[in-house]
Amino acid sequence: EAGVAQSPRYKIIEKRQSVAFWCNPISGHATLYWYQQILGQGPKLLIQFQNNGVVDDSQLPKDRFSAERLKGVDSTLKIQPAKLEDSAVYLCASSLDPVGLAGPTDTQYFGPGTRLTVL
Amino acid sequence: GNSVTQMEGPVTLSEEAFLTINCTYTATGYPSLFWYVQYPGEGLQLLLKATKADDKGSNKGFEATYRKETTSFHLEKGSVQVSDSAVYFCALSDRGTGNQFYFGTGTSLTVIP
Repeated sequence: EAGVAQSPRYKIIEKRQSVAFWCNPISGHATLYWYQQILGQGPKLLIQFQNNGVVDDSQLPKDRFSAERLKGVDSTLKIQPAKLEDSAVYLCASSLDPVGLAGPTDTQYFGPGTRLTVL
Repeated sequence: GNSVTQMEGPVTLSEEAFLTINCTYTATGYPSLFWYVQYPGEGLQLLLKATKADDKGSNKGFEATYRKETTSFHLEKGSVQVSDSAVYFCALSDRGTGNQFYFGTGTSLTVIP
């Protein structure tokens, strides 16, 4: 079974520029997550989609970050304009359909991440 | 609210030593508990999980028991190898709020030959 795919793996931009990241979840997984992982910290949830609807975006800085999952499959996360403090690894994860359920469906599977450096 | 607290690292051990990484949690409901591992240059991988009190998760020689009375999920391994060098994250998922994950800050483990 193919895992979660992300691209690019690395990106270097200057502050005030724009950047976009792409994620393709595991086939059949209804739920998709974007996390920000700053060096030395645990991942922080930015946004969670259930199919193509947003479940939770309370920690997404909406003045500069946006995300979409138009057909309920792959997703893009955009930052416009980027700031120095956005330097981090952006992780995408997916899970089967965990809302209200227990057991293996609540396990999240992570992609390799995109390392963003803002200069 | 929900949160996870991990012991701070870094942790350095000699090969074949015993490993314990402490993890405690705070949860409003009945969470599932996880340990994820992140090897250098790679994404997070699920190491083990437990979905209810007294469950024991195990994988690759690692174990952790879901202790509701002490709100803990400590990771243990009897004999570590150099290949276990990685960052370990304790996490909980809150089924009551759409499976939102809460991660600890991670514990870096280095195993020396």
